[in-house]
Formats: sequence, structure tokens, C-alpha cells
Amino acid sequence: DQQVKQNSPSLSVQEGRISILNCDYTNSMFDYFLWYKKYPAEGPTFLISISSIKDKNEDGRFTVFLNKSAKHLSLHIVPSQPGDSAVYFCAASDYGGATNKLIFGTGTLLAVQP
Amino acid sequence: DAGITQSPRHKVTETGTPVTLRCHQTENHRYMYWYRQDPGHGLRLIHYSYGVKDTDKGEVSDGYSVSRSKTEDFLLTLESATSSQTSVYFCASGQALNSPLHFGNGTRLTVT
Repeated sequence: DQQVKQNSPSLSVQEGRISILNCDYTNSMFDYFLWYKKYPAEGPTFLISISSIKDKNEDGRFTVFLNKSAKHLSLHIVPSQPGDSAVYFCAASDYGGATNKLIFGTGTLLAVQP
Repeated sequence: DAGITQSPRHKVTETGTPVTLRCHQTENHRYMYWYRQDPGHGLRLIHYSYGVKDTDKGEVSDGYSVSRSKTEDFLLTLESATSSQTSVYFCASGQALNSPLHFGNGTRLTVT
């Protein structure tokens, strides 16, 4: 059973607009969440994270929102750029971010159209 | 970047043959990981290491073994490859157990 779900396999957005990528989880014990970005033929790279004690974390154009009651997190990219086109994975852990306990979602392919 | 290199980048092998994938990191990270990526499953942890000669199983460890004789090298071995092990394999490293992962560029393995 998939504990971390990214229900949208793909998303297309116009350059300059907002991209919103969503992630749902089922395990209420998860206390740390991360987003990774992956370009074709490359490994994932860490983008941004959030602890369950917060509901928002911002880093430049990237903001992650956490709604614990809904077991939902989202990644906002504003403004979107063509270089943001990639697969985005959300991941969660219930051991304070312990990477040996990370559960990854299946990914969302973001296409930013010029 | 963590400077992680994986070899080979691509491999085709036959069912029943042994296969070893190599991962080398230059950042002196204590923790190293092997993941597989499959459609519909995201990334799943196979094995990880928390130090030289210290390894443990992940979510999908059956059919795989690992070894870490030096801090910088982490080997993944398929003793007898099966078609279900056709996948893209990623190595990763981290300085601490809760540090963000640094990934290599992957090895695409096809078992025919």
C-alpha cells in the first residue's frame, strides 16, 4: 500500500505562472517531508524540506505547505521557469527525517511551457 | 554536489548471471544507500550502510546483497539476476542519518 501518493503523474504550466505539485500521505506518524527534483538521465536532487512542527517553508521561488490534518503537502513554484521542467518526488519519514526510513512518492512530471 | 559516480551506467545481462553495480563517493559521507526506481513505485530502498562493513536491509532487499569495504565505495550485487530486477538503480550518500540525500546518476539494468 502506497503510504505517500502523488496522484497527478503530470502537470503542464505556462512560464511565469504558479506550479502546484501535490502529495498525500496516509501515515500520521510521518514527521518530516522532503521534495526532490529529477532531470532525465540524472539522479534526484534535494529541493526543500519541512518538519511537521511547521506548516510552511520557503526557499526562493519554492514554498512547501504542510496540512497535517489533511495529511497533505504541496510544493509551490512561483514563477515557474522552463528549467523547472523535471520529475518531482515527495518523500516522508517518521523518524525525524531518517533517510533509511524515507518513503518516496511515485513522482509528478512538471512541464513548463515557454 | 556530493560527487557520486555509479558504474556502469547501462548494463544488459541474462537471467541467472551475477551482476555487481558500483558506487563511489568523494565526500567522505558516512551513510550510503542503494535505491531502485520503477514505474508506479517511485524510489525504494534496497540496502543502506551506516559505516564501513556496517549495512542493513531496506524495503526491497530480497535478491540483493551489498558490501562496503571502504568509506567511499558501496557495491550492490545481484547474485542471480531475474527479470524482475530490471530497473534503474540509484546510489545515494548522506553525511548524517537525517541529511538530505545526494544521488548518483543511476544505472539502467536490463535482465533478459
